[in-house]
Amino acid sequence: EDKVVQSPLSLVVHEGDTVTLNCSYEVTNFRSLLWYKQEKKAPTFLFMLTSSGIEKKSGRLSSILDKKELSSILNITATQTGDSAIYLCAVEEYTGGFKTIFGAGTRLFVKA
Amino acid sequence: KAGVTQTPRYLIKTRGQQVTLSCSPISGHRSVSWYQQTPGQGLQFLFEYFSETQRNKGNFPGRFSGRQFSNSRSEMNVSTLELGDSALYLCASSLAGGQPQHFGDGTRLSIL
Repeated sequence: EDKVVQSPLSLVVHEGDTVTLNCSYEVTNFRSLLWYKQEKKAPTFLFMLTSSGIEKKSGRLSSILDKKELSSILNITATQTGDSAIYLCAVEEYTGGFKTIFGAGTRLFVKA
Repeated sequence: KAGVTQTPRYLIKTRGQQVTLSCSPISGHRSVSWYQQTPGQGLQFLFEYFSETQRNKGNFPGRFSGRQFSNSRSEMNVSTLELGDSALYLCASSLAGGQPQHFGDGTRLSIL
């Protein structure tokens, strides 16, 4: 069965720390891996990684896809309290139509 | 540009009833996906629609159904409601699938 596993499930850090969130997957027809941030209700898009784009960076956030190890990491440097959120990893597969499988998420809390 | 709009925001029903949730995607987006989010199971894929056709479906019973109209707006219907259907139902849209999704704020469904 297709699955996406994230670790750790929760994390508490202090402002200024660097964090690494992990995601591993087993899907049959991999198309892309996506990271989303969910603060209150709607998840918001962070990165999309595919075979042709395995590393992305935006400000203090960066992500790498390892297609050999079927995994990805999301790095956040110099964390701020505003980074406190649930970070969701999702894998999109295509089998005649698109299906997105989400991991359980990593709940990050950044202390001031 | 207006985001994804879901209505209603909150809904309270009793067991055995049925419910219809609505989703208006971002203008120009033709792919609409629905998800169920619960504390125990996380975000689970329900189905994906494109050009009024259901292209993919998750592992949910037949009580869960949906449709998409010619203007890309989508509805999701759940019949014979059960207590376990209590959840946040999220709708997400993208141009054609295979791109990052934009999520609505969801409909919080509570079953008494």
